[in-house]
Amino acid sequence: KNQVEQSPQSLIILEGKNCTLQCNYTVSPFSNLRWYKQDTGRGPVSLTIMTFSENTKSNGRYTATLDADTKQSSLHITASQLSDSASYICVVSKDDYKLSFGAGTTVTVRA
Amino acid sequence: TAGITQAPTSQILAAGRSMTLRCTQDMRHNAMYWYRQDLGLGLRLIHYSNTAGTTGKGEVPDGYSVSRANTDDFPLTLASAVPSQTSVYFCASSDKGDTDTQYFGPGTRLTVL
Repeated sequence: KNQVEQSPQSLIILEGKNCTLQCNYTVSPFSNLRWYKQDTGRGPVSLTIMTFSENTKSNGRYTATLDADTKQSSLHITASQLSDSASYICVVSKDDYKLSFGAGTTVTVRA
Repeated sequence: TAGITQAPTSQILAAGRSMTLRCTQDMRHNAMYWYRQDLGLGLRLIHYSNTAGTTGKGEVPDGYSVSRANTDDFPLTLASAVPSQTSVYFCASSDKGDTDTQYFGPGTRLTVL
């Protein structure tokens, strides 16, 4: 069973609208949690990274939250743009060099 | 700077043949990684290297080997390819380990027939 579960699997939103992606994890002990954006045909690009002591981190219109007690994270996209169409991947780190990746949420932004 | 480059971009390979996927980074990062990405699954770590001269096994190492002769290069070799190795392969690097961001290459799409 994957230690990092993401929901929804995919979603479609209209340009300018907001959306929130969810990530639940069972990785323990927990070191840090990252969100990556992966455009079609490209490698993932880091958006945010949070340690267990941080509960929110922003990167422009992307805001990640973390609740280490419930082992949940969310990624909020504000005022979506067409360029936000991508897969968003939640990654949880247990120890050095070994990360657990979620399967990703595919976001499609339509004009 | 180029960051991380991978070659080839894509390849079709006959089962049983060998192949080396190339990965080069120009950021002088200590750690490098190889992942495979399959539809519906998260990226899975194949092998990693903390520093030049050392390597370690990841989650799915069987059928793959790596070497790290210097800081910049981290080739991945399939000695005898099988159809289940059809995947997209990503190389990544990071300066340190756990709290550091990993930077990914553009990927190599491999099809084994």
